[in-house]
Amino acid sequence: RKEVEQDPGPFNVPEGATVAFNCTYSNSASQSFFWYRQDCRKEPKLLMSVYSSGNEDGRFTAQLNRASQYISLLIRDSKLSDSATYLCVVTPPGYSSASKIIFGSGTRLSIRP
Amino acid sequence: ETGVTQSPTHLIKTRGQQVTLRCSSQSGHNTVSWYQQALGQGPQFIFQYYREEENGRGNFPPRFSGLQFPNYSSELNVNALELDDSALYLCASLAGGSTDTQYFGPGTRLTVL
Repeated sequence: RKEVEQDPGPFNVPEGATVAFNCTYSNSASQSFFWYRQDCRKEPKLLMSVYSSGNEDGRFTAQLNRASQYISLLIRDSKLSDSATYLCVVTPPGYSSASKIIFGSGTRLSIRP
Repeated sequence: ETGVTQSPTHLIKTRGQQVTLRCSSQSGHNTVSWYQQALGQGPQFIFQYYREEENGRGNFPPRFSGLQFPNYSSELNVNALELDDSALYLCASLAGGSTDTQYFGPGTRLTVL
């Protein structure tokens, strides 16, 4: 079983729609959780950290469910510029987010006009 | 931009050859991580260098090796190239704190024929 699993998509949604992705992780002792965004043929960039209580950054909301070992990302009022691959990232036990992070394979999102 | 640079941007090699990829970290950052991203996959952790010493390694064979220099720039060397080594190679730099964000460079796209 992969350490971090994501639905590869693609998700193809109209502009203005709300879209949600889930990501599951295998090690219950995983420490930190993040969502990264990667545009086509570009490097990954940190979108947001995911906190236990859930957190919001503008149109983006991230949730963590430790009991079920998944994290989610919700995008409201989606924009054309949200089209990208969204990578779920987990820090394994015994590591800090500065030392080792594990990426999922990514979920591809395409927003259509 | 992140201030992390990588060279070259693209490279074509043949099986069995050796390759050296380079990364210049963001000013003030003493830690560099290297990742391999195959097509359609998320980045996979190769290793990390902190103040010129290897500081953790992923599940990659010894033919993947690295160096970090006193100015904190880094090299990734791959010997005896295999077709499966074709990928985007990303480096990420960070200042070295336990919760630091990793800032990725644009990557080097390696094709092995």
